[in-house]
Amino acid sequence: DAKTTQPPSMDCAEGRAANLPCNHSTISGNEYVYWYRQIHSQGPQYIIHGLKNNETNEMASLIITEDRKSSTLILPHATLRDTAVYYCIVRGYTYMIYNQGGKLIFGQGTELSVKP
Amino acid sequence: DAGVTQSPTHLIKTRGQQVTLRCSPKSGHDTVSWYQQALGQGPQFIFQYYEEEERQRGNFPDRFSGHQFPNYSSELNVNALWLGDSALYLCASSLVDRGYEQYFGPGTRLTVT
Repeated sequence: DAKTTQPPSMDCAEGRAANLPCNHSTISGNEYVYWYRQIHSQGPQYIIHGLKNNETNEMASLIITEDRKSSTLILPHATLRDTAVYYCIVRGYTYMIYNQGGKLIFGQGTELSVKP
Repeated sequence: DAGVTQSPTHLIKTRGQQVTLRCSPKSGHDTVSWYQQALGQGPQFIFQYYEEEERQRGNFPDRFSGHQFPNYSSELNVNALWLGDSALYLCASSLVDRGYEQYFGPGTRLTVT
């Protein structure tokens, strides 16, 4: 599985876009990029995932570079409630549980602080 | 729609004792995974259950065992507790064909004294 590198911490002003980078230079062709976040004292929360095309949902946008060696999670209008640790996870195509998929490997993540 | 629920919320045990933690998955989900999160660290995968069988296991000793019931709920058992077992234990549920989109419960905080 590809290793990911994230900055340990970032600050963002409330109402501005938060851009969280993730480096995964050893990613292979069948590996997806997943993002989770963990707000203090809560369990992690799934945000978004992608393979090679940019993805957007109601929570965030995911931009994956053309060479797939890095990605950026974008929170378009950060609020104080977005303060959390954000985890970038790269996992293989085998997401089927009966094929032993679904094992999430969390690193240290990026601690995002949204400030008023 | 109820999300993932876990019980108890907090638990204090003595070294050497045994503990059982419980998890009810999100409605419609059929797979349950368990994670251990030490203070200041990311969650570490313990094991995963589908169709009442352990499908994958992380680097945890046999003192950690589990079970999944026909209604998809699950238990995590830890025997011979060590001080180092003190952590937040997280349960996550998913669908069998969307294994990496997991929904986590709030966790059980276990303190071993």
